[in-house]
Parts: sequence; C-alpha cells; structure tokens
Amino acid sequence: EIVLTQSPGTLSLSPGERATLSCRASQSLSSSYLAWYQQKPGQAPRLLIYAASSRATGIPDRFSGSGSGTDFTLTINRLEPEDFAVYYCQQYDSSPRYTFGQGTNLEIK
Amino acid sequence: QVQLVQSGAEVKMHGASLKVSCKASGYTFIRYYLHWVRQAPGQGLEWMGIINPGGGSTSFAQKFQDRVSMTRDTSTSTVYMDLSSLRSEDTAVYYCAREGGPLNGFDIWGQGTMVTVSS
Repeated sequence: EIVLTQSPGTLSLSPGERATLSCRASQSLSSSYLAWYQQKPGQAPRLLIYAASSRATGIPDRFSGSGSGTDFTLTINRLEPEDFAVYYCQQYDSSPRYTFGQGTNLEIK
Repeated sequence: QVQLVQSGAEVKMHGASLKVSCKASGYTFIRYYLHWVRQAPGQGLEWMGIINPGGGSTSFAQKFQDRVSMTRDTSTSTVYMDLSSLRSEDTAVYYCAREGGPLNGFDIWGQGTMVTVSS
C-alpha cells in the first residue's frame, strides 16, 4: 500500500502570504494520480487539484499543484481568509486503493 | 445540479449493522464510480471502497473486506453501504463521493452521515 506523508502537520501564516504544502509518497506514482482536497470544519472535502496539477472546476488560480514521482506540492498564493482549512492529498495510482495523507492544518497566524 | 444526498445520522449499538444510502442526481448515474470515505472525530480521511454503479462490481480496502458491502439501485440512482459488527472505532462521519473519471479525483461529495456506535 502506498503511504502518503504530508508536511508540515500545521502551517501558521497570515492572509496575503504564500502557503507551500508537501505530500510525499512511499512509492512513485506512475501516472501522477494525485489529488488535493480542502476541508473546512463541519463540511465535506472539496476537490482542488487532480492529476497533480490540474485545477478542479471553480477553483481560483491562486491554487496550484506540482510534482511527480514521489514528491508533490500544493501552493496557495496570496492567502485569503477563507483558505484557512485542512488540506489532504490523495493518491489513486494503485487502484483500487485510494489512500489519503494525514492532512495539513493551515491556520491563521 | 449534480449532487449526492445521504441518509441521516444514526446511533447504533455495539455489534449492530449499519446501512447508509447515497442518492445521486443531476448526472447519468451509471457513468461514474462512487466511493465511500469515512472520518473519525478529529481524524483524517479513510477510504473504504468503491462501487461501479453500472455493473455493480465493488472493491474494498483490506481493513473492511470482511465487514462491508456496497450495492446500488439503478432505478433510484442510489448506492448503499452496509457495515456489520459495529464497534466504537466505527464512530465517524461517512461520506459518499463521485469519482469524476480517470485521473479526475473525487469531484462531488455527499453531505456526510454521522454514525455513533455506543456500547
């Protein structure tokens, strides 16, 4: 089973700053089957990025994804107050197992 | 609009069984795989399994292999997740989620169903 490790566990930043979130896979994801989700308290997750770097419908362009192989990054430019949430990466390379990382809590500094 | 609407909160006794429904609307039901994901209080997301609404085939995470089943009713565009032999560790919010296609991630999520298992 592929294990995803996200870092940092908690990231404290101010609105207007840039956030860089990391997701490392225990094995190479051969097809960049890597997604990022945002989850706010009491809500279902929301898809942000799929196929490592493609933005989902309606996602602002301040969100971007990059990476390949075992190392992936979610970057959020010019943080808005509504961006503070928990972010999860997910792999779906070793189908049909779709594991998630443990999450990064992006909090207001 | 495209949406998944789940059944309401449940309280179950230890050892009981659970059935959660997820009704799809706004798209062609049989064209998209559906998944079940759960989240224990204060914890992360845990993938449970997948069902192909078209043919009904399923696949589950190893952890749940002997306790979970997933079925669908194409006449009502509804999928069901059954979990047996409930224990306290099964207390969680259960989500259904649509896979948007190969490489596309889980693009539509249900609102979640809170399940509490009491002893």
